[in-house]
Order: sequence, then C-alpha cells, then structure tokens
Amino acid sequence: GENVEQHPSTLSVQEGDSAVIKCTYSDSASNYFPWYKQELGKRPQLIIDIRSNVGEKKDQRIAVTLNKTAKHFSLHITETQPEDSAVYFCAAYMSSGTYKYIFGTGTRLKVLA
Amino acid sequence: EAGVVQSPRYKIIEKKQPVAFWCNPISGHNTLYWYRQNLGQGPELLIRYENEEAVDDSQLPKDRFSAERLKGVDSTLKIQPAELGDSAVYLCASMGTGQGEQFFGPGTRLTVL
Repeated sequence: GENVEQHPSTLSVQEGDSAVIKCTYSDSASNYFPWYKQELGKRPQLIIDIRSNVGEKKDQRIAVTLNKTAKHFSLHITETQPEDSAVYFCAAYMSSGTYKYIFGTGTRLKVLA
Repeated sequence: EAGVVQSPRYKIIEKKQPVAFWCNPISGHNTLYWYRQNLGQGPELLIRYENEEAVDDSQLPKDRFSAERLKGVDSTLKIQPAELGDSAVYLCASMGTGQGEQFFGPGTRLTVL
C-alpha cells in the first residue's frame, strides 16, 4: 500500500546549525506535500508545503525541496533556534482519485542551546 | 475566524465504557478527517467525510467505532466499548478546497483504564 518513510526519527543539532529531514513517498500520484510541526501536547501545525509542479519553496528559515522523479522531499531549517524543538511530520496527498493523506512517522528535533 | 474545535479535550474512562468525541470544522470546509495519534507516531486516518458522506472508512474498526456527520458540518466519533488499546489522541481535521491544506483541531486525549 501507499506509505511515506521519514528519516531520521530523532535529530539533535546545536543552536544556529541547520537541520534536514527527509521523506520518501510511494505513490507517484501524490501531488501535495505538507510539513507539520507538533509541539508536545499540541495540535500539528502546517509550517510549509509544496506542490508537485514546484521544485523548491522557501519561507524565511524554512525551505522544502521536492524531487518528483526520486519521490523524495525534504525539510530544511537553517539557523535553528531552541523553539524549533518539536516533532515534525511530512505527509503526501493526492488531490484527485482517492484523496489519500498519508503521514510520515515523525522526526523529533532537539535544538541544543 | 475560529479554527477546528474539538471537545472534550481530555477523557478518562474505564474499559468497556462508551465514549464520544465531537468536532466542529472550519466554516465552509467540506472535507473532515478523524485521525488517531498514538504517542510518538504520526496521525493515522480513521475516516474521511466529504460533506455528510463517509468516503473513506477503510481504517475504521467498525466493530467498535462509529462516526457520523449529519448535515455535513459537525461530526461525532464514538467508541463502544472502549478497550485499553484505544488510549490515544483523537484528532479532527478539516480541509476546504480539496487541494491539500488541512487544519487540525486540538485533539481529544483519551485514556482507557
């Protein structure tokens, strides 16, 4: 069945360094790829997304890249801050047909001050 | 504009008891999702509604779980009887245009004793 693999499961970086989280999806029909940040005890919050007709998108310190051929997409956080510490989930969505929304298993990011 | 509203926020019950969760999506959002999120994992889809129709309930354990979305707005998710393994956070999310941007409610944390 369809799935989304996410790596690494945990990531520790020093404050100010960059963090990269990678996801691979299986269904080539997926055409929308959001990233969610979830702090402890809170709801997942959409932080950035990318559609299949775009290769890269940036919003301040956060960027997402998409390689449709390889079915990879990645989240890049630069100049990390302690408040970036959270669990990050990627997801893959098809806006036609089955409309499936499949989440990755999450990455726990810890930014060390 | 209010976001997705869920109640209750927390629920503690004895096993074999029934429990119900309520969700009010963002106004105008036709698509509504119920997810279950276990500790340290990503959200897992239980059921998806398009207006009042359940269009994907393949992951819903139908022997004990039921859901409804009368009039295509609010939705309730019920478990009867609850089992120990049902302890999790139950998230509701809604989506407007069908193009992928999904917004989550705060979730209901269920503890089954």
